[in-house]
Order: sequence, then structure tokens, then C-alpha cells
Amino acid sequence: KAGVTQTPRYLIKTRGQQVTLSCSPISGHRSVSWYQQTPGQGLQFLFEYFSETQRNKGNFPGRFSGRQFSNSRSEMNVSTLELGDSALYLCASTPTTSGGPITQYFGPGTRLTVL
Amino acid sequence: AQKVTQAQTEISVVEKEDVTLDCVYETRDTTYYLFWYKQPPSGELVFLIRRNSFDEQNEISGRYSWNFQKSTSSFNFTITASQVVDSAVYFCALSEASRGSTLGRLYFGRGTQLTVWP
Repeated sequence: KAGVTQTPRYLIKTRGQQVTLSCSPISGHRSVSWYQQTPGQGLQFLFEYFSETQRNKGNFPGRFSGRQFSNSRSEMNVSTLELGDSALYLCASTPTTSGGPITQYFGPGTRLTVL
Repeated sequence: AQKVTQAQTEISVVEKEDVTLDCVYETRDTTYYLFWYKQPPSGELVFLIRRNSFDEQNEISGRYSWNFQKSTSSFNFTITASQVVDSAVYFCALSEASRGSTLGRLYFGRGTQLTVWP
């Protein structure tokens, strides 16, 4: 089974621009979560989507948004980029189970650099 | 509030030594899951082990073992006979499950950089 894929792997943008990152979950997984990783703040939860609905949201400004499509693929968008948005953005997918433990499987990440 | 603390920032060992990574967590939920992930230089978080709050049985899986103690809110992870390929950042994470909608959210510790020297 193919793992979680994220595109692009690397991205360089300038302040004020916007960016869209894409995530394709493992086949059959319906939940997708996004995380931001920076040296200063560590790994922080952005949001989670399940069946095209945002189910959970972290403490990030409204410039960060996302969506999920009917095929479970997800995108996240950051508008009006700031230097502090430079980070590794990780996507994780989760199998849908009724009760029981749920493990998140991560993609390779998109490294965003804002100049 | 949920919190995961990994007090060890960096650990260096020589190959074949055993190494234990410490993790202490805080949660008000009675049902929760604990995880260990490994992040090699490539950046991808690799799932290693998972434990739920109802099962304190400690297990061994190959060179990995873990010690889960609810009384001290600790979930320590041990690598036996370490190898150079074990060099990576290791993250402990918590997922709360009492409120179903939070299952998709992991709270991570700051990570422990493990370096295994040949």
C-alpha cells in the first residue's frame, strides 16, 4: 500500500504570497491531519479533516485554512505569508475504525521557506 | 491541559549500548493513547509504538520496549543494542479519546535527538 504523499516537497515563497500544499492519504484512510514543525515551537497541530469536514482545529490564525475532497485528498492554504511561516508541514492520515486505537501515519512533509 | 514533556534534549551513545528515552504526559482524559514516533533526517515521522490508557502491560518488540506507568504518567521507550541507524529525533505523543472529535489531534513533546556513534 502506498504511503501518505505530499506535494511539493520543497517550496520557496516571498512574504505576502500565498501557498497551497497537497496531501494524499493512504488508500482507504478518511481522516487527514496537518501539523507545522518549527525549531522554536516544535510540532503543532493545525487542523483535521474527516469526510470533507473540518473536525478539529489548532490555535493558528485564519491565514491558515484547509479543505478535503471527496476522495479524501486534502489541501492546506496559507495566505499572506510571513517569515515565521517557514516550517516543515506534515500531513498524516488515519484509518477509520469504530473504537480502538487510532494511529496517524505521516507523509514526508513539505518544507516551506518564506523569504 | 494536555502536555507531553521529554526532558532529554539530546542523548549520545555508542553502538550496542541500551538507551532509554523518557516521556511524561499530562491529561485530564481517562481514555487516551500514547505514541512514539521517530524522525530521521529525511523528515518523515515514522510510527513506532502505541499504547492505550487501559493497558499498562509493558512489552518488547524486537529491539524496542516500553514502560508505561499511569501512576507516574510516564511512557518511557528503550532501544536495546542501539545501532547507528537508530540515530534520529524521537517524539512522544498523546492523543485523547474521551471526546471523540479529538482523536485526530496529537500533542507532541519537543523530541529527543539520539545519536548513536559507531
